[in-house]
Amino acid sequence: DSGVTQTPKHLITATGQRVTLRCSPRSGDLSVYWYQQSLDQGLQFLIHYYNGEERAKGNILERFSAQQFPDLHSELNLSSLELGDSALYFCASSSTSGPLSIGNTIYFGEGSWLTVV
Amino acid sequence: AQTVTQSQPEMSVQEAETVTLSCTYDTSESDYYLFWYKQPPSRQMILVIRQEAYKQQNATENRFSVNFQKAAKSFSLKISDSQLGDAAMYFCAYNVYSGGGADGLTFGKGTHLIIQP
Repeated sequence: DSGVTQTPKHLITATGQRVTLRCSPRSGDLSVYWYQQSLDQGLQFLIHYYNGEERAKGNILERFSAQQFPDLHSELNLSSLELGDSALYFCASSSTSGPLSIGNTIYFGEGSWLTVV
Repeated sequence: AQTVTQSQPEMSVQEAETVTLSCTYDTSESDYYLFWYKQPPSRQMILVIRQEAYKQQNATENRFSVNFQKAAKSFSLKISDSQLGDAAMYFCAYNVYSGGGADGLTFGKGTHLIIQP
């Protein structure tokens, strides 16, 4: 158990809909990262938040948005869903926003499976 | 843009034997971090080993070790005394710290490791 909690574990929704994925980081971790794992694109970095502020952005679509709340949990919002958005969405956390050295390991949650039908 | 290449989609090894998984990457940075992650059928992402580019000494973690060749931009993973529990997808990943915050991990496509009993 990594200590990163993601809900829901599985989600099935229709095209055009909007969903919210939730993540609670490990206790004490201030950084939250979102990743998408799909058959077509593999594992892709979406976005990084640190203590409520966006710090880095990857291949995140405009239809997707994220935020980190004062209690440090994070939500990834996916809207106008398409079949191609079906994927496993990982949240990960680390203690700081700094380099990923030994003192700042990224820990992954178990992921949220999204199926768009 | 940084890229990570894993040229072996699948590898098979006999239990108790040694296997090496290959990874090459492309970057213009001089300071960065390299990782190997394991993803078993449960889909959990598990950190296997990490290497800081500024360190010349190859990292080791029990039965896992790396061969880091910075000039060749090569980062292979050696698994000694392979065990059935090592069967999984293995992802090589790269990360660079941009100053504002840790950029996301850039992953390779993965190598599926099969352990033959």
